[in-house]
Amino acid sequence: DSGVTQTPKHLITATGQRVTLRCSPRSGDLSVYWYQQSLDQGLQFLIQYYNGEERAKGNILERFSAQQFPDLHSELNLSSLELGDSALYFCASSEGTGVVGGEQYFGPGTRLTVT
Amino acid sequence: QQPVQSPQAVILREGEDAVINCSSSKALYSVHWYRQKHGEAPVFLMILLKGGEQKGHEKISASFNEKKQQSSLYLTASQLSYSGTYFCGTDVYGGSQGNLIFGKGTKLSVKP
Repeated sequence: DSGVTQTPKHLITATGQRVTLRCSPRSGDLSVYWYQQSLDQGLQFLIQYYNGEERAKGNILERFSAQQFPDLHSELNLSSLELGDSALYFCASSEGTGVVGGEQYFGPGTRLTVT
Repeated sequence: QQPVQSPQAVILREGEDAVINCSSSKALYSVHWYRQKHGEAPVFLMILLKGGEQKGHEKISASFNEKKQQSSLYLTASQLSYSGTYFCGTDVYGGSQGNLIFGKGTKLSVKP
């Protein structure tokens, strides 16, 4: 158990819909990262927040947005869903701001299926 | 700019050794290795930094050739528990950002 929690575990929804994925980081960690994992693309970095502020952006679509709240939990919002958005979405957390600071602890993931 | 991992897959018998390679076309500030078992989340193995510093908490060895933008992970005397997919994550930005660009993974299967 990494200490990172994600809800829900599974999500099945239809194309065009909007969903919210939630992540609570490990106690004491200020950085939250979101990743998308699909079979053909591997693990893709989406976005990072540090202490409530956006710190780094990766291959995140405009239909996707995220935020980190004062209690440090984070939400990833996915809208106008397409079949290709079906994937496993991981949240990870770390103590510091950057990757050189140390390891990232991954949550168990949310499996999103768009039908 | 996704790093290239090789081999894509490898099958070992317990006790055998393996090397997993990660190669980038861009200059690297650090390389990160993670292992993901089937149906589970990735788990950190090691960070290799420019200048030779390494951080990790498993008995795994790795190398980082900054000039060649390559890293290798050495798995010796493999155990059944080593099975999983190994990902290298490359840091091409440095600084305080969190971008890691991961390779597509190397699937390692260790058989009894």
